[in-house]
Amino acid sequence: EAGVAQSPRYKIIEKRQSVAFWCNPISGHATLYWYQQILGQGPKLLIQFQNNGVVDDSQLPKDRFSAERLKGVDSTLKIQPAKLEDSAVYLCASSPAGATSYNEQFFGPGTRLTVL
Amino acid sequence: AQSVTQLGSHVSVSEGALVLLRCNYSSSVPPYLFWYVQYPNQGLQLLLKYTSAATLVKGINGFEAEFKKSETSFHLTKPSAHMSDAAEYFCAVGWNQGGKLIFGQGTELSVKP
Repeated sequence: EAGVAQSPRYKIIEKRQSVAFWCNPISGHATLYWYQQILGQGPKLLIQFQNNGVVDDSQLPKDRFSAERLKGVDSTLKIQPAKLEDSAVYLCASSPAGATSYNEQFFGPGTRLTVL
Repeated sequence: AQSVTQLGSHVSVSEGALVLLRCNYSSSVPPYLFWYVQYPNQGLQLLLKYTSAATLVKGINGFEAEFKKSETSFHLTKPSAHMSDAAEYFCAVGWNQGGKLIFGQGTELSVKP
């Protein structure tokens, strides 16, 4: 079974530029999550999708971050414009629906963003 | 607010020694509990999970964790450390089916030969 795919793996941009990350979850997983992991910290949820609807985006900085999950499969996270404090690893995770999932989430390798 | 605390940002043990990584959560509602491991430049891999069945949970690579409701703890242990165990370990807590996980700040485990 293929895991969660993310691209690119690394990205370096100047502040005020735009950047986009892509995630393809495990086939059949209804729930998709984007986390931000700043160096030395645990991942923090940015947004959660159930199929193609947003479940939780309470910690997404909506003035500069946006995300979509068209057709309920893959997803794109965008930052426009980027700030220095956005330097982090952006992790995508997916989870199967149903009572037996117990919130177990499967993580992709992440995209490491450096903002200069 | 719900939170997860991992005591010690860095733990160092000798190869063959006991590994103990501590995790406490703040909630009166029994949660779902997880330990994830992260190797350099990789995503998080699930080590084990507690889902209200047995309080002692066994995971991969010889790790286990015990849920203690009275102490709101879910400490991770391994009887004998191996060099390959060196990594970052994260405790995570969830309260709703399909809901978000709240992660601790992580504990970096070093294993000395």
